[in-house]
Amino acid sequence: GAGVSQSPRYKVAKRGQDVALRCDPISGHVSLFWYQQALGQGPEFLTYFQNEAQLDKSGLPSDRFFAERPEGSVSTLKIQRTQQEDSAVYLCASSLQRQTNQPQHFGDGTRLSIL
Amino acid sequence: GENVEQHPSTLSVQEGDSAVIKCTYSDSASNYFPWYKQELGKRPQLIIDIRSNVGEKKDQRIAVTLNKTAKHFSLHITETQPEDSAVYFCAASRSKSTFGDGTTLTVKP
Repeated sequence: GAGVSQSPRYKVAKRGQDVALRCDPISGHVSLFWYQQALGQGPEFLTYFQNEAQLDKSGLPSDRFFAERPEGSVSTLKIQRTQQEDSAVYLCASSLQRQTNQPQHFGDGTRLSIL
Repeated sequence: GENVEQHPSTLSVQEGDSAVIKCTYSDSASNYFPWYKQELGKRPQLIIDIRSNVGEKKDQRIAVTLNKTAKHFSLHITETQPEDSAVYFCAASRSKSTFGDGTTLTVKP
């Protein structure tokens, strides 16, 4: 079946604008994760959903970052009043099971550039 | 929180040689250790994983070892091929995954 799909693949925004990044997980996957990957570094955890419940948002860098998964499927990561340090690749991953220590399937990411 | 260190940051080998990448972690409660391969501009893909109740796992040319006491785990790739060239990430997971900074592996033909 289809893998994790993220859109857009590339997003350029001016500093101060709001952006919304979309993730379509694999159908039936319970768990959904968002990561931020800076150039030359590993993915850094942002937030985790189990179905529609956001169980961990400890990795969100500031209150400008907001994520939701209202129907337990598609998720949106929103960044308000973007700043240059928000430039990164944002990866979404999903997992079949509830537990967080399970194999994760990643999307191709959204490369966000803030000018 | 968890801290994962990965070494080396770059690794260059001749085709057919073996490659070893090592990671250490700090949280003794971490119980799941996946390895991902990421080609340029593409998604990380799981290549092998190991759980804390297992010391070693092998899948064809790829193997992972885990030393819980020392809190380190390693990826071993034998008979390397040019298509193995990529960035490899280790991760340690309990309630969430913490990734290393990656190893860029180059396999020279």
